[in-house]
Amino acid sequence: GENVEQHPSTLSVQEGDSAVIKCTYSDSASNYFPWYKQELGKGPQLIIDIRSNVGEKKDQRIAVTLNKTAKHFSLHITETQPEDSAVYFCAASTGFQKLVFGTGTRLLVSP
Amino acid sequence: KAGVTQTPRYLIKTRGQQVTLSCSPISGHRSVSWYQQTPGQGLQFLFEYFSETQRNKGNFPGRFSGRQFSNSRSEMNVSTLELGDSALYLCASSTSGETQYFGPGTRLLVL
Repeated sequence: GENVEQHPSTLSVQEGDSAVIKCTYSDSASNYFPWYKQELGKGPQLIIDIRSNVGEKKDQRIAVTLNKTAKHFSLHITETQPEDSAVYFCAASTGFQKLVFGTGTRLLVSP
Repeated sequence: KAGVTQTPRYLIKTRGQQVTLSCSPISGHRSVSWYQQTPGQGLQFLFEYFSETQRNKGNFPGRFSGRQFSNSRSEMNVSTLELGDSALYLCASSTSGETQYFGPGTRLLVL
């Protein structure tokens, strides 16, 4: 079955710096790749997603890139702010609403 | 629109008991998925329902079951609880497509 690896497990940056989180997937049939942000005591919140027919997608300070050949995708956050501090999860899906999640990245943005 | 709601938010049970968790999807969403989140195993897919039919199932024992009602609300049941069932149980809803929106979760503690 699908396996998703996520790195790094923790990431500390200064406010205003950029943060990059990387994921790789194993199943070449995966065609949907969402990213979620989870704050303490809350459920995961969808922040951006990308489909396999698109190489890059941007939404204000957040962007996601997808390399289907290498089977990896990345989340880029620019101009980080303290409120960006949270755990971020990548996921992959081949369909039927079954998301396979990475292990999460704890992002800490220091003022 | 109101988001995904889950009840109860917190639950304490003892080994051997059974538990039922409830999820109300976003209005108009007909797909409901369930996930288990633990520190050790991360986020794992349990099952997905669409129009009262289970379309997909993860690798969990038969003690974990679910159902969906005609109004798209869903319940999941865990019978003969084990200590290892302590987790955050998350429900996510979507239209018939892939984008899933999560609720706040039900935190289950098994003593």
